Amino acid sequence: DQQVKQNSPSLSVQEGRISILNCDYTNSMFDYFLWYKKYPAEGPTFLISISSIKDKNEDGRFTVFLNKSAKHLSLHIVPSQPGDSAVYFCAALRTSYDKVIFGPGTSLSVIP
Amino acid sequence: DARVTQTPRHKVTEMGQEVTMRCQPILGHNTVFWYRQTMMQGLELLAYFRNRAPLDDSGMPKDRFSAEMPDATLATLKIQPSEPRDSAVYFCASGLVLGSNQPQHFGDGTRLSIL
Repeated sequence: DQQVKQNSPSLSVQEGRISILNCDYTNSMFDYFLWYKKYPAEGPTFLISISSIKDKNEDGRFTVFLNKSAKHLSLHIVPSQPGDSAVYFCAALRTSYDKVIFGPGTSLSVIP
Repeated sequence: DARVTQTPRHKVTEMGQEVTMRCQPILGHNTVFWYRQTMMQGLELLAYFRNRAPLDDSGMPKDRFSAEMPDATLATLKIQPSEPRDSAVYFCASGLVLGSNQPQHFGDGTRLSIL
């Protein structure tokens, strides 16, 4: 039973355009959501997070939107750059627990 | 820049052999996690420790896998005996107690191939 879902295994976007990566979750008790980025042969690195009490968090070209009623979050990258090509993992946690639940990842390709 | 260090980076061995993967967490971090990445499952949590005590290893096949933290600077994941289906990339991550949005820091993984 996957609690965090990323239904698009891959996504291709033209350089300069917007990339939108989607994530759905099932557990309404999650109170923090994170996005990690992973390049080949490296470990995932933290990108951006959002608390469940917010609906938007922005950091430079990266913005995460949270829709609690739909149990859905999305990561927007604007403008997309070739260096953004990586696998993006959505993750969720309950702050009363230590466990972080990861989604299966979406592979983003930004085409020059 | 502090990093989580994993050794070895690659391991190829024959079925039935014992495999030991090591992780040095970031100094001062008190939680350590072991994940396995596969094509189908993404990042699966195998085990985690808080202040060196194992808190949850429900994701780990108990008959062949074991995880320990002999001291605060070393975490180990052992597979004995290894099987071809254990082939995957194994990641270690460390962090502070997750009471906020403190992210975990990952090592670069051990790529394990069981022949």
